[in-house]
Amino acid sequence: GEDVEQSLFLSVREGDSSVINCTYTDSSSTYLYWYKQEPGAGLQLLTYIFSNMDMKQDQRLTVLLNKKDKHLSLRIADTQTGDSAIYFCAETASGTYKYIFGTGTRLKVLA
Amino acid sequence: EPEVTQTPSHQVTQMGQEVILRCVPISNHLYFYWYRQILGQKVEFLVSFYNNEISEKSEIFDDQFSVERPDGSNFTLKIRSTKLEDSAMYFCASRTSGNQPQHFGDGTRLSIL
Repeated sequence: GEDVEQSLFLSVREGDSSVINCTYTDSSSTYLYWYKQEPGAGLQLLTYIFSNMDMKQDQRLTVLLNKKDKHLSLRIADTQTGDSAIYFCAETASGTYKYIFGTGTRLKVLA
Repeated sequence: EPEVTQTPSHQVTQMGQEVILRCVPISNHLYFYWYRQILGQKVEFLVSFYNNEISEKSEIFDDQFSVERPDGSNFTLKIRSTKLEDSAMYFCASRTSGNQPQHFGDGTRLSIL
């Protein structure tokens, strides 16, 4: 069945780059997404990538997709304390628009 | 920027009572969703809704759950007889068409006593 896995925690120093990883199992996934959840808040769309792309860059965010290994990563350049949050990756499989979410990675940025 | 709004932000209900969670999707969106997140667990899909009918639902979405779009703006999730295990954060989402991403509300925290 469909499953999306992420490491639970990541701690980085302010100004460093953060890399959050995600693996998924459904090879028919068409789109993959990254959402950010701050404490007590909803899910904020950060970026998304179509499965026929390898990379997408949007300001400080870079998404890399390795479709062969079913591996997705989100790199945040120059990480700031305001980036501290939980980051979820999600996929949609072919033929459905429901999202399958990962476990979420809690990013802590140290000043 | 338009956003999905959910009310109430926190709902406390006695077990066995009915509860209705409300959502106002973004106005030109056509597809609507409910997800839930039990504390410490993954965000799980419940149901999708399009053209006034359910298009897909998960195993969680049993006969105790129902959704409705009673007018042109609201999208509601009703739980008929709540159980302790229904305690969770419930998220509403909407999207336009094609492969556009879903936009989420801030959620309703449902606490069943």
